[in-house]
Amino acid sequence: AQSVTQPDIHITVSEGASLELRCNYSYGATPYLFWYVQSPGQGLQLLLKYFSGDTLVQGIKGFEAEFKRSQSSFNLRKPSVHWSDAAEYFCAVGEVMGNEKLTFGTGTRLTIIP
Amino acid sequence: SAVISQKPSRDICQRGTSLTIQCQVDSQVTMMFWYRQQPGQSLTLIATANQGSEATYESGFVIDKFPISRPNLTFSTLTVSNMSPEDSSIYLCSVEGLAGAGTQYFGPGTRLTVL
Repeated sequence: AQSVTQPDIHITVSEGASLELRCNYSYGATPYLFWYVQSPGQGLQLLLKYFSGDTLVQGIKGFEAEFKRSQSSFNLRKPSVHWSDAAEYFCAVGEVMGNEKLTFGTGTRLTIIP
Repeated sequence: SAVISQKPSRDICQRGTSLTIQCQVDSQVTMMFWYRQQPGQSLTLIATANQGSEATYESGFVIDKFPISRPNLTFSTLTVSNMSPEDSSIYLCSVEGLAGAGTQYFGPGTRLTVL
């Protein structure tokens, strides 16, 4: 069965600083990978996704993520964070051959300090 | 991406009662999903609902507790039955995106508190 690990429960960064959120997955083949963001009291918004091809994917709000097969990782990055980026971030893996189910990581809460 | 709405946005219910949550999509979709997000936790899939067939439930979730309807390609309901305080969660519906390949788009969620 697939699984997702987000090792950082909570990260605090200064506004304007760079950000990297870690995500490791377990899956028998190359999976579909996703990053979602959940602002307080909101639903989930899709930031970006990886299916195949270029391992560096660009998303909305200036985010990017890099798929590294050798490390089973799909880390999310942003060169300069804004106060509005404070939210909960979820990594998810989808089944390539299956019923379109997503398995979510436990999430990383991002706090931005002035 | 699809525009998804949920009703109610939040509710406070008494133990032993039931609540039906509605999910409406602005376009026809084949697959709809219902998730539970317990306080401070990640999302757990409850069931997958395809139009015209019985919902498929994940391990730990049963139809008697979480009956689901999917009468057409733009609408679904999830009922939380015989509620207890442990059912206090955010319930989210999602739909498969046109891009396929597992992309899902989420509704805003229903925040349920059971007293």
